[in-house]
Amino acid sequence: KAGVTQTPRYLIKTRGQQVTLSCSPISGHRSVSWYQQTPGQGLQFLFEYFSETQRNKGNFPGRFSGRQFSNSRSEMNVSTLELGDSALYLCASSRGQVSYEQYFGPGTRLTVT
Amino acid sequence: AQRVTQPEKLLSVFKGAPVELKCNYSYSGSPELFWYVQYSRQRLQLLLRHISRESIKGFTADLNKGETSFHLKKPFAQEEDSAMYYCALLAYSGAGSYQLTFGKGTKLSVIP
Repeated sequence: KAGVTQTPRYLIKTRGQQVTLSCSPISGHRSVSWYQQTPGQGLQFLFEYFSETQRNKGNFPGRFSGRQFSNSRSEMNVSTLELGDSALYLCASSRGQVSYEQYFGPGTRLTVT
Repeated sequence: AQRVTQPEKLLSVFKGAPVELKCNYSYSGSPELFWYVQYSRQRLQLLLRHISRESIKGFTADLNKGETSFHLKKPFAQEEDSAMYYCALLAYSGAGSYQLTFGKGTKLSVIP
């Protein structure tokens, strides 16, 4: 079956702009989690959605938001971009209510200039 | 709050030598621990989880609750084991939800 897909794969934005990233989970998976990956901080949890509801949120400012649609596809939005938001954003999906095994997408590389 | 520590950023071993990637955790509840691996130009993927107690690609990991550790071991390293390894802890975060917390990762380099 098809894996997790993320679009776009690469993105360049300038400070102050906003950006929307998209994630399509594996068919049948209802949970989608988002992570920010940077060389300094590693993988940091952003938020998780299950059945269109945000169940959990990491320690990120309110500029980071997300949503999930009825088909389980998810988007995350970052407003008022800062240079420090440059990172690889990973999406992961899992089948059930407890995210035992997460399947990761290839990521979206965001560069803020 | 939960925490996962991987003390080594980089570990270099010779082919055929034993490998041990260290992972320590801090969590007040009952831990569920995992090792994820990312090979060059590939996605992050699950390697193994402690509750299954299985060996994947020759790797094993034992949960030691007394030492709060979940070290990843392999008796004989292969060149194809070179990758980035992440230890992760699944912790209950309230209201029926769980959160996966990752360590910062250890890059394993196997020298031919």
